[in-house]
Amino acid sequence: QVQLVESGGGVVQPGRSLRLSCEASGFTFSSFGTHWVRQAPGKGLEWVAVISSDGSNKYYATPVKGRFTISRDNSKNTLYLQMDSLTVEDTAVYYCARDPHGTGYWLDPWGQGTLVTVSS
Amino acid sequence: ETVMTQSPATLSVSPGERATLSCRASQSLSSNLAWYQQKPGQAPRLLIYGVSTRATDIPARFSGSGSGTEFTLTISSLQSEDFAVYYCQQYNHWPLTFGGGTKVEIK
Repeated sequence: QVQLVESGGGVVQPGRSLRLSCEASGFTFSSFGTHWVRQAPGKGLEWVAVISSDGSNKYYATPVKGRFTISRDNSKNTLYLQMDSLTVEDTAVYYCARDPHGTGYWLDPWGQGTLVTVSS
Repeated sequence: ETVMTQSPATLSVSPGERATLSCRASQSLSSNLAWYQQKPGQAPRLLIYGVSTRATDIPARFSGSGSGTEFTLTISSLQSEDFAVYYCQQYNHWPLTFGGGTKVEIK
């Protein structure tokens, strides 16, 4: 079945870096745009970034632009999120999600999420 | 950015009753709106896209309507598994944005 599995979360100090991964299975990963969405503890959903199916187009939310980099390796069916200069406001569960229609539409399915905690 | 406002924040409903959730956009979305359900400790699940098209395996008791800036998710007869938080999301303007959510709780 279609599945996305995130990994790489953990506790990191402010100003440090972390790289998240999202491994896809059950579908042709290279045919779909893929997003990162985050959810701070007890809060709502916040879109973070998207990358097109071939990696040629990338878009970012303003709070992460210049600090986060989305990328993908279609040969490994894996999406990445490189997060630099982390702040406490980046503490959240990070979900990856497929874009069934392109590079900026609805999201389906979602992975189970990985928790990033930024704390000194 | 397009601000999405959901109301009410919390909706108390008895099982078997109808629930009506609202989502308002700060600018017109045409038909580019989706709804998601999230249960505690779980990832969001797509319910509806294109305002009114149900996603795969979503029961017919879930329906969406609206246009422009005003949208509604209706659950015709609430089942126990429907008590959750519901989010709307617009994809007509960059960046993609979500509403703050409506929690549907048991009355």
